[in-house]
This record gives sequence, structure tokens and C-alpha cells, in this order.
Amino acid sequence: QQPVQSPQAVILREGEDAVINCSSSKALYSVHWYRQKHGEAPIFLMILLKGGEQKGHDKISASFNEKKQQSSLYLTASQLSYSGTYFCGTDGGGTSYGKLTFGQGTILTVHP
Amino acid sequence: DTGVSQDPRHKITKRGQNVTFRCDPISEHNRLYWYRQTLGQGPEFLTYFQNEAQLEKSRLLSDRFSAERPKGSFSTLEIQRTEQGDSAMYLCASQTGVSIQYFGAGTRLSVL
Repeated sequence: QQPVQSPQAVILREGEDAVINCSSSKALYSVHWYRQKHGEAPIFLMILLKGGEQKGHDKISASFNEKKQQSSLYLTASQLSYSGTYFCGTDGGGTSYGKLTFGQGTILTVHP
Repeated sequence: DTGVSQDPRHKITKRGQNVTFRCDPISEHNRLYWYRQTLGQGPEFLTYFQNEAQLEKSRLLSDRFSAERPKGSFSTLEIQRTEQGDSAMYLCASQTGVSIQYFGAGTRLSVL
């Protein structure tokens, strides 16, 4: 089942902070976060694995609550370049590990 | 540039025609995924390969769709007898181990 992202859209001014949430109804092995600009490839931001391991960009932080099957992406001191659509992709692990199920996306707009 | 190349970037075809897309993954990546993305939605999993073996196909992938990854290198996705509902962005991603999936910029298919 598709994870649910909230909010659906966020509008910020440069320098403001935002939190994007991702919630799944299934047990998760990992959560992957991407940003996509119109007509471009989804760009990797962060991977959070069951057990606490994380990999990602220095300026991005995220959390993963394994028990609640939820993840949050924290964007601080936003820049104009942060604008785009943010997707979380969930991986249930097991025999189909690696197959990501994506949320519907959160549109982030940063204004000067 | 994520290192994953897709060709062509855009394809316009008439209903009923066959189309083929190519994906060149990052060279040392043994896993290759195909996803489909429609406007305003997150990517949806279609199929994936580990080396040359196709390990899983989504129910979204009708008999008109076929994918190959000869010799575990590049991959092709063919759609036979295209329908208007096939219009979408087709994304390829590659991965090594349990780690980050790097996406290509996609092939945008328009079926007239």
C-alpha cells in the first residue's frame, strides 16, 4: 500500500523551516527520501534503515520511527533551491527488498 | 547527473505502435529498477533485475510490456501496441546492495 505524505503542499520564505511526514500501514525495512524538480530525475536525499543507520546529505536530516512506521524529513533554513516535490519511498524488506513504494508527494515552494 | 542514463528523453508515438526505451545504469550496480510516473504522482514500481535475472514484475505490467537486461548491463523496456493510457514518464534506477537507488531523468512517452 502507498505511504501517506503530509502535508500535500508547503509554501515557505527563504530561511524558514519545514517538516514533511511519511506514514505507512506496513512494517518497514527502510525509508528513502527524494526531491524531484519538474522534468528531472528524482534526486536522492536520505535513506533511513531499520536499526538506525542513515545515509544522506549533510544539510538534510530525517527521523524514522520503526514502531509507528513513520518517517519525517526536516528542512531547515530553506533555500530557493529546495523548491520541488518531495517523495518518500518505503521498502518493506524481505523477499522484495529494494522495491520502493512511493507516496503521492509533497510540493514545496520557497519564495525569496 | 546521477550517473544513470536513459534514452530517449522524449518519445511521441501513435496508438498501436511499439516503443523501446533504454537504461544504462551506474556500472558497478547489480540491481536495476523500472518505475512509471504519471503527472502529480509518485513513481510506481514496474519490474526489477538483479544482474541479468528479472526477479519481480508488478501487476501493472501487462503482457504488452517486456523488459530485458542482457549480460547484466543496460536494460530495455519495450511496450507493444501502445495505448493512450501508457502515456507517462518511465524512470530507471540502479542500486548496489541495500542502499541508495539512483534515478535517471526518465523517458517521457506520449501516445497520440
